[in-house]
Amino acid sequence: NAGVTQTPKFQVLKTGQSMTLQCAQDMNHEYMSWYRQDPGMGLRLIHYSVGAGITDQGEVPNGYNVSRSTTEDFPLRLLSAAPSQTSVYFCASRPGGGNQPQHFGDGTRLSIL
Amino acid sequence: DQQVKQNSPSLSVQEGRISILNCDYTNSMFDYFLWYKKYPAEGPTFLISISSIKDKNEDGRFTVFLNKSAKHLSLHIVPSQPGDSAVYFCAASLGTSGTYKYIFGTGTRLKVLA
Repeated sequence: NAGVTQTPKFQVLKTGQSMTLQCAQDMNHEYMSWYRQDPGMGLRLIHYSVGAGITDQGEVPNGYNVSRSTTEDFPLRLLSAAPSQTSVYFCASRPGGGNQPQHFGDGTRLSIL
Repeated sequence: DQQVKQNSPSLSVQEGRISILNCDYTNSMFDYFLWYKKYPAEGPTFLISISSIKDKNEDGRFTVFLNKSAKHLSLHIVPSQPGDSAVYFCAASLGTSGTYKYIFGTGTRLKVLA
């Protein structure tokens, strides 16, 4: 099992560019989430999904879009990159049906110039 | 408004001794708590969890204690090993409300000295 796979691992963008961070899981998990990790801020929830076709906003959703067309994939789109979006992004998944620990990918380190 | 707080950014402990990592929360409705461990350039890895109906959960060298009246949880690692050196995040969930969102603390960097 690959678990949660994030691509790319590193990316440098210019301000105003758009891009999609990919996340795929092969555990048939219902729930998937995107977090960003910034120094001194811990992990902050951007968007999450409780199943295919269902998404909702987390703590810091502005500037990001998500969609969930399949159980396996949960891409995160930056519409117009800003330097404030420089961060490490983590995707996580977990089974549904109550409290369960999340499984995280290894992250995408994104720099916006 | 930081609902989950880890007030110690770092901690150093001698190998073989006990490491105690602390976490405070403000929302009494949180009903599930977790600890994650994170090595550099890797994603967080689940370590141990506790439901709000318990006050202690043990898994090998790791024990989590929950004090609901104080809104405080702690992670004890005994004995500490150099491989335990990592950043530790606590997280809390409002699972029974149907929200299932996890709120993370800012992390504590543990360094175990050989």
